[in-house]
Parts: sequence; structure tokens; C-alpha cells
Amino acid sequence: EADIYQTPRYLVIGTGKKITLECSQTMGHDKMYWYQQDPGMELHLIHYSYGVNSTEKGDLSSESTVSRIRTEHFPLTLESARPSHTSQYLCASSESGGPGGNTIYFGEGSWLTVV
Amino acid sequence: DQQVKQNSPSLSVQEGRISILNCDYTNSMFDYFLWYKKYPAEGPTFLISISSIKDKNEDGRFTVFLNKSAKHLSLHIVPSQPGDSAVYFCAASAGGTSYGKLTFGQGTILTVHP
Repeated sequence: EADIYQTPRYLVIGTGKKITLECSQTMGHDKMYWYQQDPGMELHLIHYSYGVNSTEKGDLSSESTVSRIRTEHFPLTLESARPSHTSQYLCASSESGGPGGNTIYFGEGSWLTVV
Repeated sequence: DQQVKQNSPSLSVQEGRISILNCDYTNSMFDYFLWYKKYPAEGPTFLISISSIKDKNEDGRFTVFLNKSAKHLSLHIVPSQPGDSAVYFCAASAGGTSYGKLTFGQGTILTVHP
């Protein structure tokens, strides 16, 4: 099990506000990910990073941005939140390579509601 | 185009019986498959995985079967326990530079009745 911490767990904000969802892991994993899940739907990859200063967009287009300045930290930012951004955001990490790199471990998630 | 499909939205079984959750995929490049369990308001928890070079992997009460020709995998839970009640997600990756980039199914809600 990986130790991944996400804050805040629950957040209700107004339209147009800027928010940052924090994610930290203590396993020293090089790879980190952000997935998004709407209720009752599948998880979609929105961002990933293979190491410091490396970030890529995932399969699902997202207006959020990410940064990876330190190995253990992978925050996600929404510059101007909209109701369509209401969702659960899940941070994850994995080892660098080989089959172990396929097994990703998730944090508990951040539930964002934009009103 | 949904590349990983879990066609049963829900499954209800009696405690002590077998639970079988199914998953189909369409992308022939997928070579690693995983099952995750998710409780409401929590993140998914890794359960078990299987590489495409195998057709079966077992871990305690959980066994995953892979049928590559049918592009089908299943998760068997024996015996089922009430604590197994959760949403189960099937996921797949294509390996290589795609390691860790998972494609998920929509999930199956498992309810185990005492």
C-alpha cells in the first residue's frame, strides 16, 4: 500500500474561484496521476507525471493544471471553477517501471462541488 | 469508445457464496489488468492484477481469470463476505510507456447479503 494524502477531502466553492487540490505521497514513487470520477461513472486519467518537472495531459481533457516541483508533491489547480468541474478528484502514484509500475495506488480523493 | 466494459451494473449474492464479476475489453494492446474495490467517499483500493502472459492469478479469496482470445476477464470472490460489498472496477493498461495509465470500466456494485 502506498501512503497518499489528499486535501481537502470535501470542498464547496463558488463559481469563478481558484482552487488547488493538494496531493502528497511518502513512497518515493516517481510516477503520479490525477484521475477524475463523476458519480456512477468510470475513472478517467486527466494528468500524469513521470518525475520532477514532467507533466502530461491524460486521456480526458481537463481545464485543470498540475505541477511537479518535488517528487512527493503533485498539486492540481483550477484557475476559475465552474459547476461542470463538480466531481471527485483522485490522486495516485506508482513505481517507475516494470509490472509494478502498472499497479497504481490511490489517495482517498477530493470531492469538489462548485455552486 | 469505451475500451473496458463492465456490463453488469450490479450483483447481489448471499454470504458464503461465490461472487463473479465480469469485464470485457476491446483494445488488443492491453497487456496488464487490475481489479480495484471502492467504498463510497473513498479512493479505490488495489485488489489483484494479472499479466497477459498468465490466465489465472490467485490471492486468498480473490482469483482473476483472463481469456485473451475472448478479451474477457473475471474476478471470483470465494467465499463472499458482507464486507466485500462495494463497487468493483476493472482496469487495463497497454504496457511500455503506458505503464500506470489505466483505462477503467464503469464499475459493478456488489452487495453481499448476510
